[in-house]
Amino acid sequence: NAGVTQTPKFQVLKTGQSMTLQCAQDMNHNSMYWYRQDPGMGLRLIYYSASEGTTDKGEVPNGYNVSRLNKREFSLRLESAAPSQTSVYFCASSELWTANTEAFFGQGTRLTVV
Amino acid sequence: GENVEQHPSTLSVQEGDSAVIKCTYSDSASNYFPWYKQELGKRPQLIIDIRSNVGEKKDQRIAVTLNKTAKHFSLHITETQPEDSAVYFCAASSRAAGNKLTFGGGTRVLVKP
Repeated sequence: NAGVTQTPKFQVLKTGQSMTLQCAQDMNHNSMYWYRQDPGMGLRLIYYSASEGTTDKGEVPNGYNVSRLNKREFSLRLESAAPSQTSVYFCASSELWTANTEAFFGQGTRLTVV
Repeated sequence: GENVEQHPSTLSVQEGDSAVIKCTYSDSASNYFPWYKQELGKRPQLIIDIRSNVGEKKDQRIAVTLNKTAKHFSLHITETQPEDSAVYFCAASSRAAGNKLTFGGGTRVLVKP
C-alpha cells in the first residue's frame, strides 16, 4: 500500500518554464489537495478537489492550475514558473464522507525556480 | 475562510519536561482538529486528532484539548524525549468546506538532553 505518491521529488526550472506535478493515491479517497510549504512556514492550500469532477481554489491559487484526472490522480500545473514559486509542494488525500477524515501526505516535491 | 493561529513559533524544553502548543481558529463550522508532526525533510504525519464533540483525547504521552466556545485547542506532550524534536502543526477543517485543512504556522520544538 503506497499511500500518496508524488512525482518528481526534485525539480529545477528556469523562469517561464512550465511543468506538471503528479500525484496519485491508492486509498480510494474522495478528496485530494495541493499545498505549498515555504521555508520555516506552514502549509498553504493551493487547490483542492473535494470529490472527483470538482476542483476549488485554496488560499494561494494564482499561477497554478489543477486537473482531477480521475479518483486516484490530481495534478498541479505551473504554466509559467516564477522564482516566487520556489517551494516544497505536498499532495494530500482524505476521505470525505466517513468518520475518519485523516489526511495523508505525499513525500513532497522540492521545486526551485531560477 | 478559516484562519488558524498557532503559538509559540519556537519552543525549547528540557528532556522530561512538558511542552504545550496552543492554536485558535476562526470558523465555528470547523469540527475536526488534527495535529501533525514534521521532521526535517519529511512529510507531515498525523500524531493525534480531535473532533468537536470531544473535549479531550489522550494517546500515551500526547494529549489534545478542545474548547469550542473559545475556539481554541492545545497539544500537550509530557515527559518529552529528544525524538520529540520536530515542527508541529495544528489544523482545522469542516466537511462543509470539503475537509480542506487550514494549518497554523507551526511550532519548532527542541528537546534538549
